[in-house]
Amino acid sequence: AQKVTQAQTEISVVEKEDVTLDCVYETRDTTYYLFWYKQPPSGELVFLIRRNSFDEQNEISGRYSWNFQKSTSSFNFTITASQVVDSAVYFCALLTGNQFYFGTGTSLTVIP
Amino acid sequence: NAGVTQTPKFRILKIGQSMTLQCTQDMNHNYMYWYRQDPGMGLKLIYYSVGAGITDKGEVPNGYNVSRSTTEDFPLRLELAAPSQTSVYFCASRTPERAFFGQGTRLTVV
Repeated sequence: AQKVTQAQTEISVVEKEDVTLDCVYETRDTTYYLFWYKQPPSGELVFLIRRNSFDEQNEISGRYSWNFQKSTSSFNFTITASQVVDSAVYFCALLTGNQFYFGTGTSLTVIP
Repeated sequence: NAGVTQTPKFRILKIGQSMTLQCTQDMNHNYMYWYRQDPGMGLKLIYYSVGAGITDKGEVPNGYNVSRSTTEDFPLRLELAAPSQTSVYFCASRTPERAFFGQGTRLTVV
């Protein structure tokens, strides 16, 4: 069975703090993709990053970085020097076969 | 550059009414999906399609129907609306590597 777990339901940080959002996935497939999406208060889903199962290289994009570890089935997301505009719900998702499997999301509040 | 377009954005239905949520994509994607998002929850798959004429059930298909007569369109039909169908509905299409989501339809059944 496929499953994505985001154990952190809500996180609050003070602006400029670093914050890491955890994502653990389950799949027996050898080929899959992992994603992070941001859902701001306006409600749309904004694509942040995609990783395939054969690429464990970590990635940094500005203040965002992602740590993919197959050994622990984790795909964690770190925001450095958080800003108020980062306040949103963040979803981790697994794509395998024909379907996406979403976690329940982590609601991040950045306090000015 | 329209991407995935959903209509309407908001709708209030009375119990027992029916409606169709429209979804159109202009990227020639074969894969299309309908999800619902309940408050504080992730997205749950209602139906999906891997191409015109082919549809399949997802995790929560009861109370819904879909059709896929063209590559572009993937409408979701609600028959006999119930309060439990109050949710935000997202349509998506994808390439092998990425999903593109519509803006969502906020549906309230009263």
